[in-house]
Amino acid sequence: QKEVEQNSGPLSVPEGAIASLNCTYSDRGSQSFFWYRQYSGKSPELIMFIYSNGDKEDGRFTAQLNKASQYVSLLIRDSQPSDSATYLCAVNTRMDSSYKLIFGSGTRLLVRP
Amino acid sequence: EAGVAQSPRYKIIEKRQSVAFWCNPISGHATLYWYQQILGQGPKLLIQFQNNGVVDDSQLPKDRFSAERLKGVDSTLKIQPAKLEDSAVYLCASSLVDVFYEQYFGPGTRLTVT
Repeated sequence: QKEVEQNSGPLSVPEGAIASLNCTYSDRGSQSFFWYRQYSGKSPELIMFIYSNGDKEDGRFTAQLNKASQYVSLLIRDSQPSDSATYLCAVNTRMDSSYKLIFGSGTRLLVRP
Repeated sequence: EAGVAQSPRYKIIEKRQSVAFWCNPISGHATLYWYQQILGQGPKLLIQFQNNGVVDDSQLPKDRFSAERLKGVDSTLKIQPAKLEDSAVYLCASSLVDVFYEQYFGPGTRLTVT
């Protein structure tokens, strides 16, 4: 069973701090990795994806990937109360002739004003 | 651009009853997904369609769940008979074929089985 593991949290950070969210995955063959944000009672929305080892920055968000360690993370700089949500890590897995996303259970982030 | 539409938004049924959910994807999105999200967990893929055809239904409990996508557009997901453990949010998502990871989710249907 291919798995994606995340700490459920909550991760509590003060406004303006850096929030660091982590994810590990079991399938060494996975090539692409995604972060979705899910506000309470709402649907997930894609915020970042990363394919290559290293860092990828988009505004206040930075995704980091280390395939050797099977580890992906999301950094949120200058955290705002509006960033309070559950962050889902998703990993692309090949299943026969198709690809599908395997989601982790999510980390709940709470940004305190 | 209209998003993914789902109905109903909420449904309460008793165990052993049947229920059906409807989804209308974003226009032009050939790939449609049904996910089950149990409280505190991430979405779990139940079935994936590309146009009319099923691409992956490996995690669909076929003894009680069924899904169809007629004419490659709208889709329905049915549960018959429902069990208590089916209580969850059922999310429909759609994507372009070549951008499978950029999935647009509908608002979901919250199912409570009593």
